[in-house]
Amino acid sequence: NAGVTQTPKFRVLKTGQSMTLLCAQDMNHEYMYWYRQDPGMGLRLIHYSVGEGTTAKGEVPDGYNVSRLKKQNFLLGLESAAPSQTSVYFCASSPPDGKINNEQFFGPGTRLTVL
Amino acid sequence: AQRVTQPEKLLSVFKGAPVELKCNYSYSGSPELFWYVQYSRQRLQLLLRHISRESIKGFTADLNKGETSFHLKKPFAQEEDSAMYYCASLSYNTDKLIFGTGTRLQVFP
Repeated sequence: NAGVTQTPKFRVLKTGQSMTLLCAQDMNHEYMYWYRQDPGMGLRLIHYSVGEGTTAKGEVPDGYNVSRLKKQNFLLGLESAAPSQTSVYFCASSPPDGKINNEQFFGPGTRLTVL
Repeated sequence: AQRVTQPEKLLSVFKGAPVELKCNYSYSGSPELFWYVQYSRQRLQLLLRHISRESIKGFTADLNKGETSFHLKKPFAQEEDSAMYYCASLSYNTDKLIFGTGTRLQVFP
């Protein structure tokens, strides 16, 4: 099993450009999450999904959109990138087998720089 | 709002010294708490969860409801423990994790 994979690993954008980050998991997990990691801020939840076809806003959703058309994929889109979106983005997934076992499995991260 | 606080950004110790990474939470009920670790160039991974009362890699964490704390402890630090440590709490009304800002542990030889 590859676990959680993210594409691309690195990307540099100019302000105003758009891009999509792809997250894929092969563990048949229902829940998927997108976080951003910034120095001194920890991990902040952008959007999440509790199943195919569903999405919900997290703590910092502005400027991002997501889609979960297939259970194994969770896409994060930036329609018009801004320098404030320079960050490391992590995807995670977890099975819905009860809160007690709600371990999240993380991808390797995507480092995005917006100039 | 539910919050997880890690007051130390950086903790530096020498090999063999005891380590305590502090974590405080704001939820007044029975929280579900976790410690995640991110080693250099590796992905974030679960270290331990309070419900399991486990010891992983020599680390333990005890829930103290009176002090609303879940500090991570290890009696003798090793160089390979150097990493970023995140405390997290499961949101009481959703299945979302709320992370602290993280503490970087540096263990010097």
